This record gives sequence, structure tokens and C-alpha cells, in this order.
Amino acid sequence: NAGVTQTPKFRILKIGQSMTLQCTQDMNHNYMYWYRQDPGMGLKLIYYSVGAGITDKGEVPNGYNVSRSTTEDFPLRLELAAPSQTSVYFCASSTGTSGGNTGELFFGEGSRLTVL
Amino acid sequence: DQQVKQNSPSLSVQEGRISILNCDYTNSMFDYFLWYKKYPAEGPTFLISISSIKDKNEDGRFTVFLNKSAKHLSLHIVPSQPGDSAVYFCAALETLTNAGKSTFGDGTTLTVKP
Repeated sequence: NAGVTQTPKFRILKIGQSMTLQCTQDMNHNYMYWYRQDPGMGLKLIYYSVGAGITDKGEVPNGYNVSRSTTEDFPLRLELAAPSQTSVYFCASSTGTSGGNTGELFFGEGSRLTVL
Repeated sequence: DQQVKQNSPSLSVQEGRISILNCDYTNSMFDYFLWYKKYPAEGPTFLISISSIKDKNEDGRFTVFLNKSAKHLSLHIVPSQPGDSAVYFCAALETLTNAGKSTFGDGTTLTVKP
């Protein structure tokens, strides 16, 4: 199993450009999440999904969009890049917390985005 | 308002000694707590967890203690090894919301000196 795979690993954007961060998981997890981590800070939840076709905002959703057309894929879209979106982005998946599951998150390796 | 706080940004210990990492939370609805370990240029990986119905959980060299009345948990690593040098994140969630959304602290960088 590859687990959670994110692409690209690094990207430099100019202000106003758009891009999509790709995330795919092969563990058949229903729950998927996008977090961002700024230097010296913890992970902030951007968007999450509890299953295909269902998405919802997290703590810091402004400037981002997501879709979940399949169980495996959860892409994150930045529409008009701003310097404040310079960060490391982590995609994660889990089995959730129902049925005795612990909500343990499985993370990708991260995508480092710089907006200049 | 930060709901999960790790007040020590860094901790340095000697190899073989105990490392104690602390975490405080404010949301009384949190009922499950997890610790993650993160190496540079990698994603966080799950280390150990504890349910609010317990006050201790042990896994090898790692033990997590939960004090619900104080809204405080700690991770003990005994004995510490140089390979334990990493950033440790405390996370908390409300299992009743059933969405598995975790709230993270800012992390503590542990350095274990040989």
C-alpha cells in the first residue's frame, strides 16, 4: 500500500495564479482532510470530507476549494494565490471515530507551496 | 482561541533519560487524544493515543497520561533515544461529532543528545 500520496511536493506560484494539489489514498478510508502548517505552528484544518460527494469547511477554508468525486481522491484547489497561502499542505485520511475507530490520521508527505 | 496548547516549543534531553512532553486543552468536549511524531520533510505519523475514559496508555517506551480534571496530558518517553529527535504534536478530537476532525497543538521539538 502506498498510503496517502500528494503531488506536487514543491511548487512556486505567482500572486493570482491558480493550482490544484492532488491527494489520493489507497486504504479505502471514507474520511479525508486537508491541513496547512505554517512555520512554528500546528496544523490547521482547511477542508474535510466524510465520503465521496460530501465536503465541509474546516477552520481556515478561505481561498480554497475541494471536491470529492471518488473515495480515493481529494484535490485541493487554490484559485487566486496570495502570499498568505505560502505554507506546507498535508493531506490525511482516516477511518473516522465510529465503530470503535480511533480517528488516527494517516498523512501524506506534504506539499510545500510558495507564493511570490 | 487555541483549544490545544503545547507551551514548550522545544525540549532537550540526554540519551537514556526521560523525555516529558506536555499538552493542555480547553474544550471539555474533547474525548480522544493522540500524539503524532514528525520528522523534517515528512508527514506526521501516529505515535500513541488515549481515550478520556482512561488515565494512562502505554506502548513500549511511550506512555501517555491524561488528567481530565486539569485538562492536561503528557507523553513520557523512556529511555529517550537520538532517533526520537523530532517534532511532537498533540491532537484532540470529539468522537461524537463522528467526523474525526483533529485539533492540533503547535508542537514541541524534542532533541535527544547522544
